[in-house]
Amino acid sequence: DTEVTQTPKHLVMGMTNKKSLKCEQHMGHRAMYWYKQKAKKPPELMFVYSYEKLSINESVPSRFSPECPNSSLLNLHLHALQPEDSALYLCASSKGQGPYNEQFFGPGTRLTVL
Amino acid sequence: DQQVKQNSPSLSVQEGRISILNCDYTNSMFDYFLWYKKYPAEGPTFLISISSIKDKNEDGRFTVFLNKSAKHLSLHIVPSQPGDSAVYFCAASAGRDDKIIFGKGTRLHILP
Repeated sequence: DTEVTQTPKHLVMGMTNKKSLKCEQHMGHRAMYWYKQKAKKPPELMFVYSYEKLSINESVPSRFSPECPNSSLLNLHLHALQPEDSALYLCASSKGQGPYNEQFFGPGTRLTVL
Repeated sequence: DQQVKQNSPSLSVQEGRISILNCDYTNSMFDYFLWYKKYPAEGPTFLISISSIKDKNEDGRFTVFLNKSAKHLSLHIVPSQPGDSAVYFCAASAGRDDKIIFGKGTRLHILP
């Protein structure tokens, strides 16, 4: 199984809502990533977890809260988002942290904040 | 301030011919470079990489060339096939644990 799954595929939420994005992999990978990609822009790293511990936080606003409950799961909790947070959120995983480890990406969750 | 630049948003190439995708970078600390390919409604998939100690890496129809003095790399696909139509992202990193910085991507269209 070389797949990274993300749910939901699409999400529309209001600025006062609380929602969560979910990412799952069963490849035994110990590094997991959240990226944000806006239209016509490159994917930008948000968070990295290595062995279930937060390793990198790219100065992401606190309205985004990551969680890694176990080595297969990665969540992104969303609260009080702004319309400019509308984007494609991509999850990825790799055997270990770092660019020498091939990252496997999920298809993404397209988020719209109204 | 883009550290990885893909200046061609799109490129059209006849099937069977060579596709050349270009990428420039500004950070001289980058020592590892990657190409990812993305189909619609799918996540990016790793294609090929090159370390700064090399100037060429080949994998089947795909070859990446690195010119460190020009801070330029290119991906050659030969021969181009219809399934190669996708968005190609150039990416770079500095150091073993550093993050990957992506370019904006180039959309490649392979024409029949």
